Amino acid sequence: DQQVKQNSPSLSVQEGRISILNCDYTNSMFDYFLWYKKYPAEGPTFLISISSIKDKNEDGRFTVFLNKSAKHLSLHIVPSQPGDSAVYFCAAVPNTGTASKLTFGTGTRLQVTL
Amino acid sequence: DAGITQSPRHKVTETGTPVTLRCHQTENHRYMYWYRQDPGHGLRLIHYSYGVKDTDKGEVSDGYSVSRSKTEDFLLTLESATSSQTSVYFCAIRQGDYNSPLHFGNGTRLTVT
Repeated sequence: DQQVKQNSPSLSVQEGRISILNCDYTNSMFDYFLWYKKYPAEGPTFLISISSIKDKNEDGRFTVFLNKSAKHLSLHIVPSQPGDSAVYFCAAVPNTGTASKLTFGTGTRLQVTL
Repeated sequence: DAGITQSPRHKVTETGTPVTLRCHQTENHRYMYWYRQDPGHGLRLIHYSYGVKDTDKGEVSDGYSVSRSKTEDFLLTLESATSSQTSVYFCAIRQGDYNSPLHFGNGTRLTVT
């Protein structure tokens, strides 16, 4: 049972344009969400996060939007750059316990073309 | 750099043999995690630790055991490796308070033949 879903396995975007990566979740107990970027042969790298008390968080070219009623979040990258080509994972943390057990989506491979 | 070292980086082993993967951190963080990454599944939590000798199971713990006898080392053991355990294994640490992001090592690619 996939509690965090990334329904697009891949996405191709031209350099300079906006990349939008989507993530849906089913567990109402999730109250903190994160995006990670992963290059081949490396571990995932934390990118940006958002708490359920917010609906938007911005960090430079990266913005995460959260729609709690729809149980949906998205990551916007503007403008996209070739170095953004990677696999992006969304992850969620429940509001129970203190162990920060992340549940990950299956990932979206972003390719930014010249 | 979160100061996480995973060893070995690559390993090929035969079905039925025991395998131990090591995660070493240099910063004395309390929480450590083991995840596996597989196509179509993302990353899934195997076990985690919240202190020396304090561990708990994740969502895919069957066939795995862990030990943490020192703050800096978190070991993952496959008592009798199976082909379904072929995967990339990532160790992670939590550097701050609850809801701080996890920081990952560079992974161990394990192949069970």
